[in-house]
Amino acid sequence: GAVVSQHPSWVICKSGTSVKIECRSLDFQATTMFWYRQFPKQSLMLMATSNEGSKATYEQGVEKDKFLINHASLTLSTLTVTSAHPEDSSFYICSARAGGTGGNTEAFFGQGTRLTVV
Amino acid sequence: AQSVTQLDSQVPVFEEAPVELRCNYSSSVSVYLFWYVQYPNQGLQLLLKYLSGSTLVESINGFEAEFNKSQTSFHLRKPSVHISDTAEYFCAVSEAGGSYIPTFGRGTSLIVHP
Repeated sequence: GAVVSQHPSWVICKSGTSVKIECRSLDFQATTMFWYRQFPKQSLMLMATSNEGSKATYEQGVEKDKFLINHASLTLSTLTVTSAHPEDSSFYICSARAGGTGGNTEAFFGQGTRLTVV
Repeated sequence: AQSVTQLDSQVPVFEEAPVELRCNYSSSVSVYLFWYVQYPNQGLQLLLKYLSGSTLVESINGFEAEFNKSQTSFHLRKPSVHISDTAEYFCAVSEAGGSYIPTFGRGTSLIVHP
């Protein structure tokens, strides 16, 4: 299957600082990327969907000014957690799919980023 | 909109025993169905999927799932589990032919005891 690489796999930051997480599709062009947040022992919560070259679509309740998403190319999307607070500590997972109407139905997942805000 | 219900939050079994992880979905349109596995501190890996055709789908490591439209179910089964199957399993559904945004169940923790 296709490979999606997420970096870093874990990060610790101080409260008030910003953290950037990268998601790259290594061997395919990802027209659509998804960002999820996962709390311990819970399912994945979709935060936003981004299409290359356009603004991300955020799910209800997700602060777009706090979680900045940029999908500048067909192989890279970034999630920046701005002014991080301890309650932002979580496991963040990206996924990517090749696009087009009726195109690839499978999304491939990155390995996740464990964010700890102290 | 679609929704997924995984009735069991945790399923403990002994090694070499059979297991079934239950998944029911709700949708007003045709769907695609998926099972993903997640090992600790890792992302999700696709285990198997149903898009169309045969209602019984299999994975390379012995898992299988059967799409039952009348019961709106997609239960995951394995006849004999291994210690290494211990992980979190997520059932997911998306609208067939749509924009593909999967909706995940809450997950089932499979714990295999020696």
